Amino acid sequence: LAKTTQPISMDSYEGQEVNITCSHNNIATNDYITWYQQFPSQGPRFIIQGYKTKVTNEVASLFIPADRKSSTLSLPRVSLSDTAVYYCLVIPWDTGRRALTFGSGTRLQVQP
Amino acid sequence: EAQVTQNPRYLITVTGKKLTVTCSQNMNHEYMSWYRQDPGLGLRQIYYSMNVEVTDKGDVPEGYKVSRKEKRNFPLILESPSPNQTSLYFCASSLAGTDTQYFGPGTRLTVL
Repeated sequence: LAKTTQPISMDSYEGQEVNITCSHNNIATNDYITWYQQFPSQGPRFIIQGYKTKVTNEVASLFIPADRKSSTLSLPRVSLSDTAVYYCLVIPWDTGRRALTFGSGTRLQVQP
Repeated sequence: EAQVTQNPRYLITVTGKKLTVTCSQNMNHEYMSWYRQDPGLGLRQIYYSMNVEVTDKGDVPEGYKVSRKEKRNFPLILESPSPNQTSLYFCASSLAGTDTQYFGPGTRLTVL
């Protein structure tokens, strides 16, 4: 599985856009990039998934450059409730185990 | 409401006393899995099941057992718990062929 690197923590203020970048230099051709969010004492929650270029849903946008060696999760106009840990995962499309390897994630703290 | 439920949410027990943590999902998912989350180690997969009567070891299966007699249930069994199994446990499920896993609320286990 491709190793991912992301910042340990980030701080922001309400109403700002937050961009969290994840590095995955050894991503393979059949790997997808997936982001999960975890609030304290809760299970992770799927946010967004993409393969290349840009994906947007009601929660976030995911930007993936052409070389796919990194990706950026963009959270528009964050609120206090966006304070959480965000995990970047690289998952092979054909994985039979469905094992998700979570790293330490990025702890986002949103201030009023 | 589509969800994954776990019981109990909190449990304090003593070394050697057998316990079972239940997991149930109402989404008719084929795939179910157990993870443990420890500070600094992220989430690690314990066991997974691709369907009824099909289970396999994850990354840290020692000291745990599972069974999948029904599609909706996937209990985690600790035959003889030890203090190093003190952790936060999550059950997850997903549809076959997808990578989006739905996590339960977690079970915080303390073994004295």
